[in-house]
Amino acid sequence: DTGVSQDPRHKITKRGQNVTFRCDPISEHNRLYWYRQTLGQGPEFLTYFQNEAQLEKSRLLSDRFSAERPKGSFSTLEIQRTEQGDSAMYLCASSGNLESYEQYFGPGTRLTVT
Amino acid sequence: TQLLEQSPQFLSIQEGENLTVYCNSSSVFSSLQWYRQEPGEGPVLLVTVVTGGEVKKLKRLTFQFGDARKDSSLHITAAQPGDTGLYLCAGDSNSGYALNFGKGTSLLVTP
Repeated sequence: DTGVSQDPRHKITKRGQNVTFRCDPISEHNRLYWYRQTLGQGPEFLTYFQNEAQLEKSRLLSDRFSAERPKGSFSTLEIQRTEQGDSAMYLCASSGNLESYEQYFGPGTRLTVT
Repeated sequence: TQLLEQSPQFLSIQEGENLTVYCNSSSVFSSLQWYRQEPGEGPVLLVTVVTGGEVKKLKRLTFQFGDARKDSSLHITAAQPGDTGLYLCAGDSNSGYALNFGKGTSLLVTP
């Protein structure tokens, strides 16, 4: 399968713990995006990478959130000191340079903070 | 933020019926995407429209981009239970990188 993959698919954690999610984009795509989706809403943009450079961050990305893409391939999203309000589906997407608006999504990581 | 409003929010129909869902905005988009999402999964890209007035067909699905590139519609002919899902429209943001999504239309097709 050459689509976007995400790991883990599900994560249950206690409030105050740190969690890290991984995203592997489509191999030839140099653009990578993180979104968050809560129940009844469409995905909301969090951050964007072109190769290893993080070029844009949403105001939704508080100081407790950090994302990296160290070698321009896979990316990680870390949430420190999780809160119940962080419970959501975290989606990763990737796109190529020429048609960057065509973003292909992974299956998501469902985070539940208890 | 360029807002996209989708209607209806929920739609329940029987197999074989036709339906249309709408995606409207007061903003102009250079492109607009339609996705379908099933519970617990990520959105799957169905189509991209870029030209005002453009019509694209994907089997029983017909997508139209408004002439002014502010709105779009998705028409499904002879709906099947496999069409059940959340239909999301998304447009490019001012930054040119992020997509702005509507809240989606949740479609249920019963046999």
